[in-house]
Amino acid sequence: QQPVQSPQAVILREGEDAVINCSSSKALYSVHWYRQKHGEAPVFLMILLKGGEQKGHEKISASFNEKKQQSSLYLTASQLSYSGTYFCGTEVGLEYGGSNYKLTFGKGTLLTVNP
Amino acid sequence: GAGVSQTPSNKVTEKGKYVELRCDPISGHTALYWYRQSLGQGPEFLIYFQGTGAADDSGLPNDRFFAVRPEGSVSTLKIQRTERGDSAVYLCASSLIVTSGTGELFFGEGSRLTVL
Repeated sequence: QQPVQSPQAVILREGEDAVINCSSSKALYSVHWYRQKHGEAPVFLMILLKGGEQKGHEKISASFNEKKQQSSLYLTASQLSYSGTYFCGTEVGLEYGGSNYKLTFGKGTLLTVNP
Repeated sequence: GAGVSQTPSNKVTEKGKYVELRCDPISGHTALYWYRQSLGQGPEFLIYFQGTGAADDSGLPNDRFFAVRPEGSVSTLKIQRTERGDSAVYLCASSLIVTSGTGELFFGEGSRLTVL
């Protein structure tokens, strides 16, 4: 039930782009993205809802393919501050159309941005 | 403004002891979640409260774990007869009530539990 993230780790130079992927075997209601820096709490980035609505960060974009139960997070022109571990959290959709109000997180993708 | 507050930040205990971890959510947030995070892993869902009631406790590993939220604000996660495998960072998160799925979660800094 845990979503699968790829890659596990990526190293960039400042200004480069990265894509982080998240896939689930379950029918999803939404996908959430969080970033966690070492020793700190996870911080919200983005929610992607079934139906296409997207809420979140101005400088980070994401997509959600409902048919494939996949989401991708796009980090463009990366900055040093983007370094951290990125987690996707998936929310399962229920038969009647609602959600289970529970996020299941992937194992994370460690992003390192070097000068 | 005050964020989610968790105490203690660090707790070292011996195997078999009882532990309480406290979470003070953001004022006005009716949804409260407990997660557990082990090194190199994503947060693992434990329990979700909507108001005073546990709406979903399916993530609690066994009956040694119990959580309460008696007045719909502060929550306490209680672990009895601790085992070494309980060692982890316990994260609390709160959220405004939403009608369409889980909203933005605001996480606390966590309580690091070490069972010797």
